[in-house]
Amino acid sequence: DVVMTQSPLSLPVTLGQAASISCRSSQSLVHSDGNTYLNWFHQRPGQSPRRLIYQVSKRVSGVPDRFSGSGSGTDFTLRISRVEAEDVGVYYCMQSTHAWTFGQGTKVEIK
Amino acid sequence: VQLVESGGGLVQPGGSLRLSCSASGFTVSRYAMHWVRQAPGKGLQYVSAISSNGGVTYYADSVKGRFTISRDISKNSVYLQMSSLRVEDTAIYYCVRAWGGDWGQGTLVTVSS
Repeated sequence: DVVMTQSPLSLPVTLGQAASISCRSSQSLVHSDGNTYLNWFHQRPGQSPRRLIYQVSKRVSGVPDRFSGSGSGTDFTLRISRVEAEDVGVYYCMQSTHAWTFGQGTKVEIK
Repeated sequence: VQLVESGGGLVQPGGSLRLSCSASGFTVSRYAMHWVRQAPGKGLQYVSAISSNGGVTYYADSVKGRFTISRDISKNSVYLQMSSLRVEDTAIYYCVRAWGGDWGQGTLVTVSS
């Protein structure tokens, strides 16, 4: 099974500052069709997860452009350019190239 | 698109439960459907999936042989039959469409004596 490892697991941030979350997979996420199926989700307390990014860097419709995804192969990053109060919660990376596997989650909170 | 899970509740270890996911706004026969669970205070865990044509199913090792995923196209619904339940199966169970863009609100399953 593919193991997804996120870091850090806790991320205190200052409003208006940038934040980055790393996600590494135990094997390449490049599918035989040439696409890389790496997603990012955001979950607020008491809510269902919401997908932000798919295929590494494609933003879901309605997601603010302060969210961006990058990476390739086994190393991926989610970046928030200017953190806002509504961005608090837990962020998960998820690969869907080889079945599905989620990272452990990164809790983002305001300092 | 709307996904509504139901069927959760309190069950004793070794017991059974059937979760339902009622879909609206799309036809389940056109999409792969998934179940993902989240234990209290923990992260997300992939549980099971059924392909768009219904011919292929997937189970996490932790539930293989105990859980069965199915669907009823006439009711536009997906199901998760859970048996031989364990305390560690306690979680919110989410129904998810296709590549993860749509999630239900979840249904809580508690396995406890």
